[in-house]
Amino acid sequence: QVQLQESGPGLVKPSETLSLTCTVSGGSFTTYYWSWIRQPAGKGLEWIGRIDSSGSTHYNPSLKSRVTMSVDTSKNQFSLNLSSVTAADTAVYYCARQPRGGATYFDPWGQGTLVTVSS
Amino acid sequence: DIQMTQSPSTLSASVGDRVTITCRASQSISGHLAWYQQKPGKAPKLLIYEASSLESGVPSRFSGSASGTEFTLTISSLQPDDFATYYCQQYNSYSSFGQGTKLEIK
Repeated sequence: QVQLQESGPGLVKPSETLSLTCTVSGGSFTTYYWSWIRQPAGKGLEWIGRIDSSGSTHYNPSLKSRVTMSVDTSKNQFSLNLSSVTAADTAVYYCARQPRGGATYFDPWGQGTLVTVSS
Repeated sequence: DIQMTQSPSTLSASVGDRVTITCRASQSISGHLAWYQQKPGKAPKLLIYEASSLESGVPSRFSGSASGTEFTLTISSLQPDDFATYYCQQYNSYSSFGQGTKLEIK
């Protein structure tokens, strides 16, 4: 059964870059899309962007100028960099898998990791 | 961008009640909609995809339907485990979520 696990610093200073990695285990890495989603405390879900195993990316237009995603197929990992962070970027960050084709829902999800932006 | 408007934002109900949550898309999404359940401190869990297809392992009291750009999630008989927050998600054009519906015990 496929499992996803987020990792990275839990505290990032304002104006710096948030960097997270998601490690995928127990399933195929090359036949899916891989996404990042975030959720500020007490608020709703926001899709950040997705990547496939070839490195092709699509980002949320509202975050596009600050987001970079990358993939390492040798380690079954994909990563998120979010630059110039502010307190508004404080959130739980989830990684999730999406099937290719028409039905690109998110399943499964990682457990999530809290990232706090503070000096 | 496709906007998803979910209602109500909060719903109070009792065990055994039938409840309906609605999600309206700002434009056609061709039925490309999913519903998720989220409990505090946990990741969302997929319930329904393609508007009405039940994810494997999800109880049959959950169902989804669509009419144009309006989508509904129905729980036929609420169980104690169902009190949670529910989100819709469109994936016709990248992805966006509704604001969420918190289902509370009356």
